[in-house]
Amino acid sequence: TAGITQAPTSQILAAGRSMTLRCTQDMRHNAMYWYRQDLGLGLRLIHYSNTAGTTGKGEVPDGYSVSRANTDDFPLTLASAVPSQTSVYFCASSVEGANTGELFFGEGSRLTVL
Amino acid sequence: GQNIDQPTEMTATEGAIVQINCTYQTSGFNGLFWYQQHAGEAPTFLSYNVLDGLEEKGRFSSFLSRSKGYSYLLLKELQMKDSASYLCAVRDSNYQLIWGAGTKLIIKP
Repeated sequence: TAGITQAPTSQILAAGRSMTLRCTQDMRHNAMYWYRQDLGLGLRLIHYSNTAGTTGKGEVPDGYSVSRANTDDFPLTLASAVPSQTSVYFCASSVEGANTGELFFGEGSRLTVL
Repeated sequence: GQNIDQPTEMTATEGAIVQINCTYQTSGFNGLFWYQQHAGEAPTFLSYNVLDGLEEKGRFSSFLSRSKGYSYLLLKELQMKDSASYLCAVRDSNYQLIWGAGTKLIIKP
């Protein structure tokens, strides 16, 4: 059972370079989310999508962009990485949008920006 | 502002009982979630409370008091595998999830 697959698992990136974190789900969930997790802080929402074709900004969207061309895929792009974007990134999904149910998380992508 | 407070770290003994508290101040309330996260892994759903009272699920129980802005997660018969971080999250009136920083639970033999 795959659930949510994220890639890459970890990456070291030079500042100023671009990077796309991939996220694919096979549960046919309508809603998908990107979070970042930093030591001592709660999960912070970057962007979300309540259904294919729509996206919205979360709490910390600056420096990130997303697209939702279909139900299964929700890539997160950093156009020009900065060291403050060093974090663990989690993709998540839920059956419906607006956080109406439990979230299912991917295994995370650890990104280091130097 | 919106805020979720949890203890940073707790230690308990294998076989014992531990209670992890969560207090919140949010713009409205539409439910409270508990997630478990083992080190280096993804968070996984444990429980959901929207009405006052206790929800029991095996060794784990979760309690909610909306008037006090308070919840706790109770873990009984602790096992070494329960060593993990426990995340409290509240859904506010706009259906946004506000997350606590998590409580790291260390189980000792």
